[in-house]
Amino acid sequence: DVKVTQSSRYLVKRTGEKVFLECVQDMDHENMFWYRQDPGLGLRLIYFSYDVKMKEKGDIPEGYSVSREKKERFSLILESASTNQTSMYLCASSIQGYEQYFGPGTRLTVT
Amino acid sequence: AQKVTQAQTEISVVEKEDVTLDCVYETRDTTYYLFWYKQPPSGELVFLIRRNSFDEQNEISGRYSWNFQKSTSSFNFTITASQVVDSAVYFCALSDNRDDKIIFGKGTRLHILP
Repeated sequence: DVKVTQSSRYLVKRTGEKVFLECVQDMDHENMFWYRQDPGLGLRLIYFSYDVKMKEKGDIPEGYSVSREKKERFSLILESASTNQTSMYLCASSIQGYEQYFGPGTRLTVT
Repeated sequence: AQKVTQAQTEISVVEKEDVTLDCVYETRDTTYYLFWYKQPPSGELVFLIRRNSFDEQNEISGRYSWNFQKSTSSFNFTITASQVVDSAVYFCALSDNRDDKIIFGKGTRLHILP
């Protein structure tokens, strides 16, 4: 079974803090993705990566950065957290041309 | 531009009833993929099915079935004899052949009442 894990299920941070969300997959997938999910807005793609050290902006990259130093790990970074980044963050991975598999999500609250 | 529309925001049915979730998509590509995902209250999106644009055969998996009709750009999902455990948000999604990004619909929240 494909397994995608995320470092935390729940996270509470203060405005201005630097936040790291980690995602690890164990199936040697080339592609990894970060989404945020908000009520009424559905899933929105923040960043994705096709390979180690490669990254592509998604639909809403502002305020975020990513890092992919190893194939299995894709990190989402909030350089200076703001309250409008309070959301559910979902990580996914896939083989090229196939479905994405998702992690359990991290519910981030920025106060 | 690609688009996925799930017109039903929320549906409630009584247990054991059949229910169909609608999905209409837009794409200019001739090669594309369609997906359904389930998001139970725990929050994790669970992959249900992937269909490519050249395979219009309907699919059945237990109580779940999918009807893909290119003529109407629809990929509908039916749950037969619904159960309370089917209560979740269901997402229809679309991907083209150029990259592996997926466009999700807004989801349909399904309530199965005991």
